Order: sequence, then structure tokens, then C-alpha cells
Amino acid sequence: AQKVTQAQTEISVVEKEDVTLDCVYETRDTTYYLFWYKQPPSGELVFLIRRNSFDEQNEISGRYSWNFQKSTSSFNFTITASQVVDSAVYFCALSEARAAGNKLTFGGGTRVLVKP
Amino acid sequence: DAGITQSPRHKVTETGTPVTLRCHQTENHRYMYWYRQDPGHGLRLIHYSYGVKDTDKGEVSDGYSVSRSKTEDFLLTLESATSSQTSVYFCAVQQGQGFLGGYTFGSGTRLTVV
Repeated sequence: AQKVTQAQTEISVVEKEDVTLDCVYETRDTTYYLFWYKQPPSGELVFLIRRNSFDEQNEISGRYSWNFQKSTSSFNFTITASQVVDSAVYFCALSEARAAGNKLTFGGGTRVLVKP
Repeated sequence: DAGITQSPRHKVTETGTPVTLRCHQTENHRYMYWYRQDPGHGLRLIHYSYGVKDTDKGEVSDGYSVSRSKTEDFLLTLESATSSQTSVYFCAVQQGQGFLGGYTFGSGTRLTVV
């Protein structure tokens, strides 16, 4: 069975501080996908990134960066110079990679509160 | 945008009544999913569909049934609503084929069972 653990339930920072969200996953599959989603107070789920298990390169997109380490089964997410608009719940998710539709397994989410 | 519409957006219902939530998509995606979101649990898969009349159970399927008679519609039914089914329900579609496709979520349905 697949499992995703986000140990941090809530993080509070002051604007312009960096914040790192931890994600640890478990899977028996050798091929899989990892995702991060953002859920702002309005409630919709916003896709941020998808990485496959064969690509361990770190990625940076603006103020967002992701550190994928297969050896420790971790896919951590950092927001640099946080802004109030970054306040949201962030979910890490894992997908099997099979031909007949792939189901997402989510972590419990980390609520980020950025104070002005 | 995968053109996903969930209805209703909000619903309050009484314990023991049946409830049907609708997910409608406009882009002919094959794979559709129903998740529920509860504090501390993230989103959990209820049921999913891989084509018309082809559905299967997810992690938390007890008390729920689904139907997909048309590609564009995936219905979730709570056969006899209970307070434990108070939750936010999200529909998702998978774009593309197999693991190459990303996921897009609907706006959610907030269901309260009183």
C-alpha cells in the first residue's frame, strides 16, 4: 500500500521568511509520480508540480523549489521569501504509474500561514 | 482547464436520506475520480471510473456508490447519509492516457449531514 506523510500540520511564518514543507512517501512501485497541490482559502486545488521517480533533479520555479531524494523517499517543497498570498494548505501526493488509470494518495496536508 | 463542474456546491441533508453528487466534464476524459477531504486526512479516494459503466472502489468506499452512464457524467450517491459523511467532496479527471496524464480537480461540494 502507498502512503504519504506530511508530519507538519501547520507552519506559521512572517512574510519574507523561507518555509520548507516536508513530504515522505512509501511505495513498492519502482515507477511512480509525486505531486504538490496548493489549496488556498477559496478551496480549490491548484496543481504545482509533478515529478516522476526517474528524475531526481531538483526544480526551481520562481519562489518555489522542490528537493526530490529517492534515497530517503522524500519530496520536500520550499517557498522562498514567503508572501501573504502563499497562505494555504499544501498537499503532497503520490501516484502509481500503471496503464489502467492512476490513483492519487495524498498526505494529510500542511497549513501554511504567512503573517504580514 | 478540464471543464469540470460539480453540483451542488453546497448541500445540507438529514441523516438517512439518499444524496447524489454530480461531476460533469466537457473534454471526454476517460478516467474520473471521487475524493473526500477531511481535516488531517488529506483527500481520500472513494471510487473511480475508467470508462462508461466501468468503476471500481477506492480506499473509503463503504456507504457510497457511483455510476457512469455517459463519459461526461460521474455520479456519487450516498445511499443513506450519515454524519460521518459530512465532508468536502472533490471530483477529478485524469488528462491524457495512463501515467502520462495530470489531474484536474473540480471546485468541490461541501456536504453537511445533520
